[in-house]
Amino acid sequence: DVKVTQSSRYLVKRTGEKVFLECVQDMDHENMFWYRQDPGLGLRLIYFSYDVKMKEKGDIPEGYSVSREKKERFSLILESASTNQTSMYLCATHLERGGRRGYTFGSGTRLTVV
Amino acid sequence: GQSLEQPSEVTAVEGAIVQINCTYQTSGFYGLSWYQQHDGGAPTFLSYNALDGLEETGRFSSFLSRSDSYGYLLLQELQMKDSASYFCASFYNQGGKLIFGQGTELSVKP
Repeated sequence: DVKVTQSSRYLVKRTGEKVFLECVQDMDHENMFWYRQDPGLGLRLIYFSYDVKMKEKGDIPEGYSVSREKKERFSLILESASTNQTSMYLCATHLERGGRRGYTFGSGTRLTVV
Repeated sequence: GQSLEQPSEVTAVEGAIVQINCTYQTSGFYGLSWYQQHDGGAPTFLSYNALDGLEETGRFSSFLSRSDSYGYLLLQELQMKDSASYFCASFYNQGGKLIFGQGTELSVKP
């Protein structure tokens, strides 16, 4: 099975800090995604990447950037953290299994910005 | 833009059958997925419908009607462990990019 590992389960950062959230997958999947999850809003796509050094904006990219220098690693960067970026952040990779198309998610990073 | 609508919460009793509906916008629609998420956990993939009809996986089934822009997840023989949030999500334009609904919180009572 594909494993998607997010470097931190819980993170507390100060307003204005630069924050790096790391995601690593152990399979050779091209597609990787970053979502944030907030109560009542579901999962919202921040950025995604179909290949190394390639990135595309999702629905809510403002205040974020990403880096994909290697196929297995997709990093989300909060350039200057703000309290409204307090959220659960989920990384996912695109898995095709027996013709059924599903994502595999990491366990998430709960970020609190104070 | 693209969006999916589903009920915010559903309650059912153990052993019963429950249906969670999902309607979606059609522009660029490519297929409908369902995910389960327990409190504090990551979403896990349940099913995917690219074509009209019913897909069955054990106690869970998923249905799609493209003509009605509608799908549902059917859970049979409900168990307490099925209490979780369920998300419908759709692929658009073959890009692998998933758009999620806001989620339905299912509570299973004894």
